[in-house]
Amino acid sequence: DTAVSQTPKYLVTQMGNDKSIKCEQNLGHDTMYWYKQDSKKFLKIMFSYNNKELIINETVPNRFSPKSPDKAHLNLHINSLELGDSAVYFCASSQGTSPGDTQYFGPGTRLTVL
Amino acid sequence: AQSVTQLDSQVPVFEEAPVELRCNYSSSVSVYLFWYVQYPNQGLQLLLKYLSGSTLVKGINGFEAEFNKSQTSFHLRKPSVHISDTAEYFCAVSLSGYSTLTFGKGTMLLVSP
Repeated sequence: DTAVSQTPKYLVTQMGNDKSIKCEQNLGHDTMYWYKQDSKKFLKIMFSYNNKELIINETVPNRFSPKSPDKAHLNLHINSLELGDSAVYFCASSQGTSPGDTQYFGPGTRLTVL
Repeated sequence: AQSVTQLDSQVPVFEEAPVELRCNYSSSVSVYLFWYVQYPNQGLQLLLKYLSGSTLVKGINGFEAEFNKSQTSFHLRKPSVHISDTAEYFCAVSLSGYSTLTFGKGTMLLVSP
């Protein structure tokens, strides 16, 4: 069983569209994250949720809205997609919010905005 | 604010040779240090981490790293690399009280026969 899974793996869409990426973890973790990896492979935190509550929001445009229906799921909805949103989006989870907790990453969703 | 510098964007090496991937960080408070590996078209996997205690940390796949507080470094080493070690390697830090990771820009390790 995959520990952290994301769907879809690839997403190609037009500018202006709205799209969602789903993430699920079966590790029983309390904390989940979204990271963005740009074309130069630079990884940056976007959001962090603990027990379904938003705890970190790193100056991400309002067009990005995370939603956590339960502890095992963290979805990312993006409105009015722009060319600059093209990237690989990684979901991750950790046991808790301790800075020493290992984060487990999903396989990524490659978003291409045309 | 903390930052992480990986000095080499690419490190080419021959199979069975030793390798060192460099990582320096800057922070005014205590940090926790991590190395993650990303194989092509995959997510990140933890290689090793330093939280406290012994400054020499051993990880998976024969990798180890040494925490040097005075030089604010956490270099990754392997005495003999394999072709299968070809991947992107990321150094990351988290601060006391925060669980989010700040990543370096990555180092591509290219192992050739």
